[in-house]
Amino acid sequence: DGGITQSPKYLFRKEGQNVTLSCEQNLNHDAMYWYRQDPGQGLRLIYYSQIVNDFQKGDIAEGYSVSREKKESFPLTVTSAQKNPTAFYLCASSKGWGSGSIGEQFFGPGTRLTVL
Amino acid sequence: SQQGEEDPQALSIQEGENATMNCSYKTSINNLQWYRQNSGRGLVHLILIRSNEREKHSGRLRVTLDTSKKSSSLLITASRAADTASYFCATVLAGGTSYGKLTFGQGTILTVHP
Repeated sequence: DGGITQSPKYLFRKEGQNVTLSCEQNLNHDAMYWYRQDPGQGLRLIYYSQIVNDFQKGDIAEGYSVSREKKESFPLTVTSAQKNPTAFYLCASSKGWGSGSIGEQFFGPGTRLTVL
Repeated sequence: SQQGEEDPQALSIQEGENATMNCSYKTSINNLQWYRQNSGRGLVHLILIRSNEREKHSGRLRVTLDTSKKSSSLLITASRAADTASYFCATVLAGGTSYGKLTFGQGTILTVHP
């Protein structure tokens, strides 16, 4: 089956710890994204990557870091510098932007992070 | 503030009725997309309408786009209990440093009662 997987589904973190959220896709998509969703809110873009070994900050990148060493993988690290990390994190992917028109994004099931 | 803002924030209807959700945005777009999210799940893409299109259909969904008013609407006809979800509009800006990124509205929570 083609799709995006995220793990773990639930994650608990103590204050001061870094945690890494996994995102894997087998859709052969060039672009990948990380979003944060707070209760009753829309999605806010954390980081995105258009191609392997390249990524850009989104609207709320402070306290987060990413890597894109492989096309199919785009892990997100929530660092201790993120002041309010409790949220629902969604990973997405899409075809490349080269055609000049941006199409649909495919989303994973999400990881719910809670800081204890 | 958000590029896309939706109205109403919540909508409650009976099965079989039509549901209409509206989205407004502020700057020129490349396209506008609608997504559905069931509680605690990821988002599912419903439909994309490009800036040079005015109306698009997909099954029971009808989307309109009015670029002069910077607004879009999503109509779900003959709603079902399974349509209960949050619905988000998302815009892709036409150019500049934000090109290619989706900006989401805060969503409309739709409840369809059996």
